[in-house]
Amino acid sequence: QQPVQSPQAVILREGEDAVINCSSSKALYSVHWYRQKHGEAPVFLMILLKGGEQKGHEKISASFNEKKQQSSLYLTASQLSYSGTYFCGTPAAGSYQLTFGKGTKLSVIP
Amino acid sequence: DSGVTQTPKHLITATGQRVTLRCSPRSGDLSVYWYQQSLDQGLQFLIQYYNGEERAKGNILERFSAQQFPDLHSELNLSSLELGDSALYFCASSPDGGGHTGELFFGEGSRLTVL
Repeated sequence: QQPVQSPQAVILREGEDAVINCSSSKALYSVHWYRQKHGEAPVFLMILLKGGEQKGHEKISASFNEKKQQSSLYLTASQLSYSGTYFCGTPAAGSYQLTFGKGTKLSVIP
Repeated sequence: DSGVTQTPKHLITATGQRVTLRCSPRSGDLSVYWYQQSLDQGLQFLIQYYNGEERAKGNILERFSAQQFPDLHSELNLSSLELGDSALYFCASSPDGGGHTGELFFGEGSRLTVL
């Protein structure tokens, strides 16, 4: 089951904040976040393993709510380098495969 | 540089043809994953191999097959190619079987264009 990401795209000015959401209709055991810059490979950002746990990467943090079956990625004081497509991935129970959402395209402009 | 090597980087071929994409995982990684990325579908999981054996299968067509060799490199074979197979094919690797705790290291991808 593919997780659903929202919004599909967002445009920010440098210094602004953004939130990207990832939700699933099935129980989530963990949520993985990746960023893919244009023309490049996806790069790992973080894994969230426990309900309510927040992790951080630079000025990017995330939360994971098991009960609501959703995760949110918070980008604070965005920089031009944050531009790219953000994917959340979720593994199904007993499975080793990561199913990714369709991605959220983030564009940061000066 | 993730340490995952994919060849070729670009490939142009005709419908009905067969191609082979190659992936060398990071040194020491036992798992190899193949993903297909097209414009409207995001990253679609195709198949995973762990230490030479198939571990998980996703939306992989019957025309596609893969294997992982004793030296842990992997090949993805695409046959009877159709226009819709045009996409970016990523290989990723991880040290273990993956699942909930593993970070995936992606290669730069092989861009396949079917004319």
